Amino acid sequence: TQLLEQSPQFLSIQEGENLTVYCNSSSVFSSLQWYRQEPGEGPVLLVTVVTGGEVKKLKRLTFQFGDARKDSSLHITAAQPGDTGLYLCAGERRGAQKLVFGQGTRLTINP
Amino acid sequence: EPEVTQTPSHQVTQMGQEVILRCVPISNHLYFYWYRQILGQKVEFLVSFYNNEISEKSEIFDDQFSVERPDGSNFTLKIRSTKLEDSAMYFCASSEMGTGSTEAFFGQGTRLTVV
Repeated sequence: TQLLEQSPQFLSIQEGENLTVYCNSSSVFSSLQWYRQEPGEGPVLLVTVVTGGEVKKLKRLTFQFGDARKDSSLHITAAQPGDTGLYLCAGERRGAQKLVFGQGTRLTINP
Repeated sequence: EPEVTQTPSHQVTQMGQEVILRCVPISNHLYFYWYRQILGQKVEFLVSFYNNEISEKSEIFDDQFSVERPDGSNFTLKIRSTKLEDSAMYFCASSEMGTGSTEAFFGQGTRLTVV
């Protein structure tokens, strides 16, 4: 079983603070994707990381893939209320035609 | 921007009835998927489909489930005899490629309620 564990599961912080969400596994993934999901809607793709050590930036969001391709992190700088939502990581192993999802981190940014 | 579309958005059905959930994947994508998410739980993989056949399926995808691409645009999930525990959000997804740096795009989902 290829489990992806996200931490923390819940995070509530004040506007302007920085935060990091982690996605960890004992398995190696060929790619790892981060999604954001609003209530009652489908996951919306934010970024895909493929290479060990890769760092991608999306405005105030920074995504990193671990060197061993077993873990990833999402860092948000100067969080805003609009960042509130459920953040999901999902990994794909080479040769597997499926994504394995973490349980998500529910982020709340308070004004 | 191209998107995956799913119909219906909500479906209520009686236990034991058959349901068909419909999806129109992104037009140039070749790989299609169904996932489900029981309320408050993880998104779970059900099945992947490529070149008109199932390429991978999970333990959840038993004989009660089937998928079909009846024409060049639709991709359907059929549940033959629904059970209460089939109540969930069902997401269709599609991707251009199947492995490596796949980027899967998800539809808005169908909320299935079995009563």
